[in-house]
Amino acid sequence: DAGVIQSPRHEVTEMGQEVTLRCKPISGHNSLFWYRQTMMRGLELLIYFNNNVPIDDSGMPEDRFSAKMPNASFSTLKIQPSEPRDSAVYFCASSSWDSLVLIGYTFGSGTRLTVV
Amino acid sequence: KQEVTQIPAALSVPEGENLVLNCSFTDSAIYNLQWFRQDPGKGLTSLLLIQSSQREQTSGRLNASLDKSSGRSTLYIAASQPGDSATYLCAMDAGNMHTFGGGTRLMVKP
Repeated sequence: DAGVIQSPRHEVTEMGQEVTLRCKPISGHNSLFWYRQTMMRGLELLIYFNNNVPIDDSGMPEDRFSAKMPNASFSTLKIQPSEPRDSAVYFCASSSWDSLVLIGYTFGSGTRLTVV
Repeated sequence: KQEVTQIPAALSVPEGENLVLNCSFTDSAIYNLQWFRQDPGKGLTSLLLIQSSQREQTSGRLNASLDKSSGRSTLYIAASQPGDSATYLCAMDAGNMHTFGGGTRLMVKP
């Protein structure tokens, strides 16, 4: 398995533009997580899905952020419109569960977003 | 709300030393505790996972312990090597919700 695949690896965009980050989880995993990492705030959970259904999006900073998981093999995180303070590394992770134990919790390599 | 604190924020040691990284949390109602390693510009790699019913886990030179009553976990690294240089993060898991500590940035000098 190629692991959790995120694209693009780097994204530079102008303020006000729409940004879409993509994630392909590990096949067979039923949970998917989106995180944001900055120097100031560390690693923050934005939203997670179980079986393609959003369970908790309380970490999503504002309405400009949205996430979808149309099927078990694909998820997107969209920012519209983007702002300079959205600049960060965005990670996707996936896992499966077995009796309350995480199995195979794996992070992608991240997307480094810069909004100028 | 769960809060996770890691002390120290940065640590520099000479090669060969044994060292301990600390992680404290405020809510003992956790399912699992996990230690991760993050290299610069990379994602997180899981090192050890301790279920709430367990007290410790070992993998090679790494040993992680969990004391729910005191709200603490430690990661022990034996005979440190320059290749151990990275940021180490602990994460509390309470029902599929992960709360990460701020990490300890470790530098092992040859």
